[in-house]
Amino acid sequence: EVQLVESGGGLVQPGGSLRLSCAASGFTFSSYEMNWVRQAPGKGLEWVSYISSSGSTIYYADSVKGRFTISRDNAKNSLYLQMNSLRAEDTAVYYCARGGDWNEVDPWGQGTLVTVSS
Amino acid sequence: SYVLTQPPSVSVAPGQTARITCGGNNIGSKSVHWYQQKPGQAPVLVVYDDSDRPSGIPERFSGSNSGNTATLTISRVEAGDEADYYCQVWDSSSDRVVFGGGTKLTVL
Repeated sequence: EVQLVESGGGLVQPGGSLRLSCAASGFTFSSYEMNWVRQAPGKGLEWVSYISSSGSTIYYADSVKGRFTISRDNAKNSLYLQMNSLRAEDTAVYYCARGGDWNEVDPWGQGTLVTVSS
Repeated sequence: SYVLTQPPSVSVAPGQTARITCGGNNIGSKSVHWYQQKPGQAPVLVVYDDSDRPSGIPERFSGSNSGNTATLTISRVEAGDEADYYCQVWDSSSDRVVFGGGTKLTVL
């Protein structure tokens, strides 16, 4: 069974940093593209970042470019999101999700909540 | 940047057919995916590549895509279908995943 389990969320002050992790199992992690998607409370889905299977290609949403860094460790079956210079508007549930052959995003982890507040 | 437009809400009686639209410039040339999200849960893919269903998704869920509109159709709607639905494409011109704003399906 494919499983994605996020961790690392929590309460952080504006301007602070946080590193999210996503542990993958049940599939050959190194063969798949991965994404981070977030959802602010009561709002819709917002794509955050993409990384190719090898890690050589990376894309970011304009809202996080220059502040967030996506990375992966294929030996550890893990995906990461380093978040710096956090703002109140970054408050959201962050999901990691596998990329598919048609650029669909599936499946998704259960999400980890990041709250940016003083 | 590419924009996907969904109606905020759709209401339908049990047993009837719900149609949720997703508008975008020449969206018919893109591959459209649909997700269902119930309260407190992660999204679940219900239709991919315009009209294909992942394993485990009922045949009641179908999709179409042409011109400037993609449509998710849910036949014989059940109370358990009540959820938020999102469309999604890959915008190759900007290398971005794009989601629609979401549609809340209410089963009357």
